[in-house]
Amino acid sequence: IVLTQSPGTLSLSPGERATLSCRASQRIDSKFLTWYQQKRGQAPRRLIYGASTRHPDTPERFSGSGSRTDFTLTISRLEPEDFAVYYCQHYDGSLYTFGQGTNLEVK
Amino acid sequence: QVTLKESGRVVLKPTETLTLTCTVSGFSLNDARVGWSWIRQPPGKALEWLAHIFSNDGKSYNTSLKNRVTISKDTSRSQVMLSMTNMDPVDTATYFCARLSTWAYDFDYWGQGILVTVSS
Repeated sequence: IVLTQSPGTLSLSPGERATLSCRASQRIDSKFLTWYQQKRGQAPRRLIYGASTRHPDTPERFSGSGSRTDFTLTISRLEPEDFAVYYCQHYDGSLYTFGQGTNLEVK
Repeated sequence: QVTLKESGRVVLKPTETLTLTCTVSGFSLNDARVGWSWIRQPPGKALEWLAHIFSNDGKSYNTSLKNRVTISKDTSRSQVMLSMTNMDPVDTATYFCARLSTWAYDFDYWGQGILVTVSS
């Protein structure tokens, strides 16, 4: 299963709403769809698992949605610390696959 | 508090074998609710899962690596190890260890990563 993230780069300003997409090449179980945030020089950090459940320390401005092949990460109102690369990830029973990432940059 | 820290040689020559250790604190490797994984990231590129291991010593590997990778653990030392043979410059990457959640089969805690460079 291939995960395709779009856009590759998203340029927005603090305070704006961000919508990031992750599309699977075939239908997947949403229980196994996770979103991560990675800041430059740091390890990824889990934000959302099971497509829509926030990790305990994930701010409420982050939300996940979607099913079947189309999944979305939404940041309701961007804070300066939210500019980073975001990855989606899936497990198909034998292989863990990551998308190629969306770079959320300051406009 | 769960913490993971990678260690090992960071510069290798082509054909050498990579050996990395992940030292886990704040959580037992014997806990059956989780597993332990290695994931790598070439500079400027996406993440690639390499292998995982569970408390019962069950293991799984990314088959694209063609049997070059071995994962193991030493529960008494709270360490998870990775070995990768026949290193090549394309294997230059940051290598992360991560805790695998068996509820969502995702990675809920990560080490800081270790940059491994392969160069002649």
